[in-house]
Amino acid sequence: TQLLEQSPQFLSIQEGENLTVYCNSSSVFSSLQWYRQEPGEGPVLLVTVVTGGEVKKLKRLTFQFGDARKDSSLHITAAQPGDTGLYLCAGVRSGGSNYKLTFGKGTLLTVNP
Amino acid sequence: EAQVTQNPRYLITVTGKKLTVTCSQNMNHEYMSWYRQDPGLGLRQIYYSMNVEVTDKGDVPEGYKVSRKEKRNFPLILESPSPNQTSLYFCASSPDRGRRHFGPGTRLTVL
Repeated sequence: TQLLEQSPQFLSIQEGENLTVYCNSSSVFSSLQWYRQEPGEGPVLLVTVVTGGEVKKLKRLTFQFGDARKDSSLHITAAQPGDTGLYLCAGVRSGGSNYKLTFGKGTLLTVNP
Repeated sequence: EAQVTQNPRYLITVTGKKLTVTCSQNMNHEYMSWYRQDPGLGLRQIYYSMNVEVTDKGDVPEGYKVSRKEKRNFPLILESPSPNQTSLYFCASSPDRGRRHFGPGTRLTVL
């Protein structure tokens, strides 16, 4: 059973569209991170959310941590081709080892010009 | 430039031939870890190290060894590689238990 379920798995949209990617779990997390990975490179951290209900914005990207700290979402406004990549959520499970970061399988986003 | 480096970036080898993938970071981070990334399975943690001489198993440690003799280096050792260890491997370091700084990856093929 995957601890963190990401949906959708694949997403192909046109430039200028909005989209939302979800990261869900039945477990509570002390923190959740979002990474973006481009082909041939390692993941790069976008944001960390730690408080239930927290909302963080990074330019056109909005990240939200669920009130119960079991889920998170990433919303992109007016997507651009440069947003193309694999988006990964990762969490430190509440009550578990703080050194174990568990990743979801990712959402592969393609933004077409 | 602050970075995590891995070598080699690409490696093709044969079953049973011992190999080592090196990982080095220049940020004086205490925490380092290894992940493998496979299609349909995502990123899975192999081993991690909280500091020099302190290591622990992740989710998929079978067939791998690690050592942490120096703070900056965290090599991944495959004593007897098998085809099911064909994967994309990432090393990461962190100043704390949060943000990971990932290396560029090592693509390993075991024939």
